[in-house]
Amino acid sequence: DTGVSQNPRHKITKRGQNVTFRCDPISEHNRLYWYRQTLGQGPEFLTYFQNEAQLEKSRLLSDRFSAERPKGSFSTLEIQRTEQGDSAMYLCASSPTVNEKLFFGSGTQLSVL
Amino acid sequence: EDQVTQSPEALRLQEGESSSLNCSYTVSGLRGLFWYRQDPGKGPEFLFTLYSAGEEKEKERLKATLTKKESFLHITAPKPEDSATYLCAVQANRGFKTIFGAGTRLFVKA
Repeated sequence: DTGVSQNPRHKITKRGQNVTFRCDPISEHNRLYWYRQTLGQGPEFLTYFQNEAQLEKSRLLSDRFSAERPKGSFSTLEIQRTEQGDSAMYLCASSPTVNEKLFFGSGTQLSVL
Repeated sequence: EDQVTQSPEALRLQEGESSSLNCSYTVSGLRGLFWYRQDPGKGPEFLFTLYSAGEEKEKERLKATLTKKESFLHITAPKPEDSATYLCAVQANRGFKTIFGAGTRLFVKA
């Protein structure tokens, strides 16, 4: 069990560019979550996958954001046409069942210049 | 709307000075209440799950309790290594997301 892995750890981009982040969950976990966290705030829910199906998505999530989990394994989060307000830590988490604790990765810190 | 409010925002303690962190929640049917610890630059790390009012969990210097409206994280004789942000979170019976509070930043001085 190597834990939840996220890549890259840091990403600096210019406004208007597209970025993609990757998350590799714990192998036996079929539930995967994406969260966003800004300084001084708790993690904010973005989206949830059960296996390859995206079952819940925050209504606050802009249509510039899209997530996939092909074959129910790793997941990617893409942000198109980045804005300075997208600067945040993007956290991925996995769990074996719906009412279990979340196992978080170390996150991807995005800075949009 | 489901909501979690934590207080205080920050807490400064001397080593050995016990205290409590508060988590007030509003949720339409509680599936579980969670406490996590987060160190700078890292993802949250699980501490406790509480499912029903009256339940208590303990781990080393930490003890979590739950009522129908609040949860408390009691820290007994803290050490500098307990310095971190402590996050409270809830899961409702409907839906799949875990909702987090803004956290309490704890500083323990030697």
